[in-house]
Amino acid sequence: DVKVTQSSRYLVKRTGEKVFLECVQDMDHENMFWYRQDPGLGLRLIYFSYDVKMKEKGDIPEGYSVSREKKERFSLILESASTNQTSMYLCASSMQEPGELFFGEGSRLTVL
Amino acid sequence: EDQVTQSPEALRLQEGESSSLNCSYTVSGLRGLFWYRQDPGKGPEFLFTLYSAGEEKEKERLKATLTKKESFLHITAPKPEDSATYLCAVHRGNTGKLIFGQGTTLQVKP
Repeated sequence: DVKVTQSSRYLVKRTGEKVFLECVQDMDHENMFWYRQDPGLGLRLIYFSYDVKMKEKGDIPEGYSVSREKKERFSLILESASTNQTSMYLCASSMQEPGELFFGEGSRLTVL
Repeated sequence: EDQVTQSPEALRLQEGESSSLNCSYTVSGLRGLFWYRQDPGKGPEFLFTLYSAGEEKEKERLKATLTKKESFLHITAPKPEDSATYLCAVHRGNTGKLIFGQGTTLQVKP
């Protein structure tokens, strides 16, 4: 079975801190994605990547950056966390586009 | 503007009471419509992909159908373990991105 692993299930950070959310997939998928999920707003795409070293902005990239140094790993970075970035963050991967997304369990981030 | 709307927001059913969830969409260049199931505190889990109007897919008590403007997820004789949030998403051909609906939260009571 495909497994997408997110490094932290729950994080609590202070405003202004730098935050790293790590995601690793074990099925050699080309495509990786970061979403955030908020009540009433659904899932919104932050960034995605179709290849190593490659990244593209999603619908809400402001305040975020990403890194994909290896095919299996896609990191989401909050350079200076703010309270409006409190959310559930979901990483996903897929073999092809369009294609079935495999999601991780999610990382619930609280920024105080 | 590309948009995906799911209805109802919440649905309560008695065990065995069949019903349907709706996903209506407006998108240019549809390349696929996806249904996912999400349990509380977990990531979404893939259920179905539909690519063209008239297509149908089935899995256990679930059946997904697609027209040019909407998709239905039919649940036949649901069980309490079918309780979850069901998400619909469409793939926009010209941008390579998925748009998700806000989901329908289904509760099935024994």
